[in-house]
Parts: sequence; C-alpha cells; structure tokens
Amino acid sequence: QLQLQESGPGLVKPLETLSLTCTVSGGSISSSSYYWGWIRQPPGKGLEWIGSIHYTGNSYYNPSLKSRLTISVDTPKNQFSLKLSSVTAADTAVYYCAREEGVHEHRIDDWGQGTLVTVSS
Amino acid sequence: SSEVTQDPAVSVALGQTVRITCQGDGLTTYYASWYQQKPGQAPLLVIYGKNNRPSGIPDRFSGSSSGNTASLTITGAQAEDEADYYCNSRGSSGNYMVFGGGTKLTVL
Repeated sequence: QLQLQESGPGLVKPLETLSLTCTVSGGSISSSSYYWGWIRQPPGKGLEWIGSIHYTGNSYYNPSLKSRLTISVDTPKNQFSLKLSSVTAADTAVYYCAREEGVHEHRIDDWGQGTLVTVSS
Repeated sequence: SSEVTQDPAVSVALGQTVRITCQGDGLTTYYASWYQQKPGQAPLLVIYGKNNRPSGIPDRFSGSSSGNTASLTITGAQAEDEADYYCNSRGSSGNYMVFGGGTKLTVL
C-alpha cells in the first residue's frame, strides 16, 4: 500500500521560501511509470496543480508558478520536495503531494493527507 | 480564468442520474480524470481515461468525452456521493496539468 506523507513548516513569513518534503513509503520513487507531484488548495477554494517530477529529474510546472517554483527528487531517501519562493498570503493553502501516472490517460491515483501552510508575519 | 471550466453547483434527487461536465481545449486531445473530495479529506480518483474506474469505485460512476467536453455521470446517486467533484486535464500546450474549478454536488 503506497503512502505519501507531507512534512514541513506550517507557518511561513511573507517573502520567504516555502519548503515541503514528501516521503514515499510502500513503493519506490524510482519507477519509470510515475511522476511525483504537488497540488494545493486554498481554504474554501478549489484545487490547483503545482507541478511534478520524474525520478530522472524531468519536471513540469504550472506556468503561473514557474518563476518561483523548484521541485526536486531524492531517490536514496525516497522523497521529493517543493520550494516556492517569495510567498504571499495567496500561497496559504493545504498542500498535497501525490503520485501521477499516464500521459493520454493521466491520473493522480495516490494522495498524501495534505498539510496546511499559512503565510503570515 | 481557468483553462478548464465546470459548473459551480449541481443537484440531483436521491437515486436519479446526474452528469457533471468539464470543458477545455486540452480535452480535444487528452482525457480528463475526475476526483471526488469530501470535507476535510484528500481528493479521491473516481474516473480516468476513456472510462476507467480505480478499484473500489462503484460502477455507478462513469466517464465520457466528446470534443472539448468531458463528463462524469453518476447513475443512481447515493447520499454518500454528495461532495465536490474536480476534473483535471492537460493545459492547452500539453506540458502542464490544470484542474477545473470544481462542482459541488448536492443529493436531495
């Protein structure tokens, strides 16, 4: 049973960098079949896809966040990470890590429980 | 504005059939996937591809697609189907993903 667990600070100051890590258990992050991604959801609002990465390092990002975003992978630790710079209150959200699969039949088939990150001074 | 649009809210009588739709340019080339989200929970994949259900998803959930529109149909809606539903597809350039704004389903 694959499990994904987000970890990182729950409070980040404006203009600082938000950093989260997702630890994958019950499966290897080094599988050619999957991408590993981040999705967020501001309180009371809808889902926003942030970006995802393959274990080889190939990544793709939401164009609206690309200039502030870095997603990286650490295969020995079976983890992947998110860094979002210059945050504002608009970046306050529940952040989910997830596993993505497929191209034409793309799906996000496993999700972490999510972690709330608040941007406030 | 979102590249993928959904109706904000839909209602259905218990036991009846409801269709939730999603429109976007990327849907002319790529299939949508559909997610159910209940309050306080992570989203759950219910349909992907042409019409595929993950293990454990009831067969009252089905998917279809035509042109730039994807649809999620619940045949015989149950009280436990009341939730927010999101579609997800590739953006118009194909190299990123995008969610629709979500549809709140109320089962009357």
